[in-house]
Amino acid sequence: GNSVTQMEGPVTLSEEAFLTINCTYTATGYPSLFWYVQYPGEGLQLLLKATKADDKGSNKGFEATYRKETTSFHLEKGSVQVSDSAVYFCALRSNDYKLSFGAGTTVTVRA
Amino acid sequence: GAGVSQSPSNKVTEKGKDVELRCDPISGHTALYWYRQRLGQGLEFLIYFQGNSAPDKSGLPSDRFSAERTGESVSTLTIQRTQQEDSAVYLCASSLSGTALSYEQYFGPGTRLTVT
Repeated sequence: GNSVTQMEGPVTLSEEAFLTINCTYTATGYPSLFWYVQYPGEGLQLLLKATKADDKGSNKGFEATYRKETTSFHLEKGSVQVSDSAVYFCALRSNDYKLSFGAGTTVTVRA
Repeated sequence: GAGVSQSPSNKVTEKGKDVELRCDPISGHTALYWYRQRLGQGLEFLIYFQGNSAPDKSGLPSDRFSAERTGESVSTLTIQRTQQEDSAVYLCASSLSGTALSYEQYFGPGTRLTVT
């Protein structure tokens, strides 16, 4: 079956630091890959996505590249801000409608 | 336009009681999903509706859980005889259709259920 493994948190960073959250997956077929973000007190939002190998998803300064050879979709941002403090979820969708999620990584950015 | 809404936002109930959780999807979205998020864990898929039929109920954890949907609108998730392990945040999502992988799922704010 499908599964997603992401880096455990919590992660604490200073402003302007580089952020990486690792995500690897196991899936049948050709999955689409997603990063969702949950800001404090808010609902889950799609941050970025990639639908095929070598695609790069990007949004709000975040990037992730779909690496089929390593079954990975690591999230990166070059210079984080306090407003990036949130819980980040890696997810996939393969040949059907349901999303399979990782456990989430809590990121705290300190000023 | 309006997003996915859920009610109540918080529910505290005693073990053994029944609860109903409501989801109002985005207007025009034919697909609706329920997920559960236990503390410190990722989201678990519960059930999927396309229109008012549920082709996939595979994620419902036991026969105490049921869900229905009226047309292509409101859905209700019912948990009977609640147990403490049912405590979680229940999230609803909707999308234009469940048949195309490209359609984004939009999530509601969730209902936090606490069973005492």
